[in-house]
Order: sequence, then C-alpha cells, then structure tokens
Amino acid sequence: DQQVKQNSPSLSVQEGRISILNCDYTNSMFDYFLWYKKYPAEGPTFLISISSIKDKNEDGRFTVFLNKSAKHLSLHIVPSQPGDSAVYFCAARKYGNKLVFGAGTILRVKS
Amino acid sequence: DVKVTQSSRYLVKRTGEKVFLECVQDMDHENMFWYRQDPGLGLRLIYFSYDVKMKEKGDIPEGYSVSREKKERFSLILESASTNQTSMYLCASSLPGQFANTGELFFGEGSRLTVL
Repeated sequence: DQQVKQNSPSLSVQEGRISILNCDYTNSMFDYFLWYKKYPAEGPTFLISISSIKDKNEDGRFTVFLNKSAKHLSLHIVPSQPGDSAVYFCAARKYGNKLVFGAGTILRVKS
Repeated sequence: DVKVTQSSRYLVKRTGEKVFLECVQDMDHENMFWYRQDPGLGLRLIYFSYDVKMKEKGDIPEGYSVSREKKERFSLILESASTNQTSMYLCASSLPGQFANTGELFFGEGSRLTVL
C-alpha cells in the first residue's frame, strides 16, 4: 500500500522553464512533507519541506505547494537549470520518526 | 557538515552468505535509519534506532537485523542473503529536535549490494 505516490516516473523540461513535480498521498495523519533530490551515486539530500498547516513554502527557485483537501503536493522549480537534473523524491512524515517516500521522478533539464 | 559514511559502496555476495553493512555518522545524532531503494518503489524503511541498543522495525524488516552498540555506528545485517535483497541500501541520521522541526534526514552515499 503506497501511501505516497509520484505518478510521473520522468519529466523533461527546457532550461529556463518551470519544472513541476507532483506527489499524492493517502494518509491524512501526515504532518510534514518534504522533497529530496538525488544525483547518481550519491545519497538523497534534503531540498525543501512544508508543514501540514501551511499551503506554500519558498526557498529561492524552489516552491512547494500543499493542497490538503486534494491530498496533493507539488514542487515548482523556476527557472530550471541543467544542474537540477536528478531524481526527486517526495516524502511524508508520520507521527514519530518515520518518513514515507514516493517512488521518485527523474527530472531532465535540457540546455 | 554532517557526514554519514557507509563503509562499502559496492558489494557482491552469494546466496546464503551473511552480510554486514556498516554506517557511521560524525554529528552525534541520536536517530539512525536504514532504507533500501528499488526502482519504482522509492525508499523503504527497514529499521531505525533512537539511541544506543534501541531499535525499531520499519516497513520491511523481514530478512534483516540491526545492531547499535555505539551512538555513531548503525549496522545492517543480512543473516542469509537472498537474491531479492539485491538493492541500494541507504543509511541516514538525524537529531530528534531537527527531525521534529523539518523532517530532515542526512543520508550516506549508499551501498549497492548484488546477491548472486
């Protein structure tokens, strides 16, 4: 039972345009949502997070939007750069110390 | 900077062998985690530990055990490796307070295990 779903395995975007990565969840008890970025042969690194009591959080070129009624999360990258090409994992935190991850979306930014 | 070090980047083992994956962190973090990453399934939690000698099962603990004898070290043990345990294994750590605030984990570079 996948509680966090990333339905797009891959996304290709032109440099300078917006990248939108999507994530859906099923468990209304999640209290925090995060995005991690992973380059090949490296571990995931934390990118940005949002509390369930907010609907938007920005950090430079990265903005995360949360729609609780739709149980939907999205990450916007504007403008996209070739160095953003990586696998992006959506994650949600259960009470306590557990994160539940999605399957990941491969982002390719073409120059 | 937080450093999470996994001792082996690539391992090849035979079915039935006992396998040890070691993880060391240098930031005095209480929480440590073991995940496996598989295509189409993302990262799945195997075991985690809140403190020395404490451990809790994650979502897929079958076929694995762990050891936390020192705060900085968290070992994952495959008692009898099987081909379905071929995967990328990722260790992570966090401070309880930081995790409570942002949910952030610090990951190692991963250990790619192939079981033949």
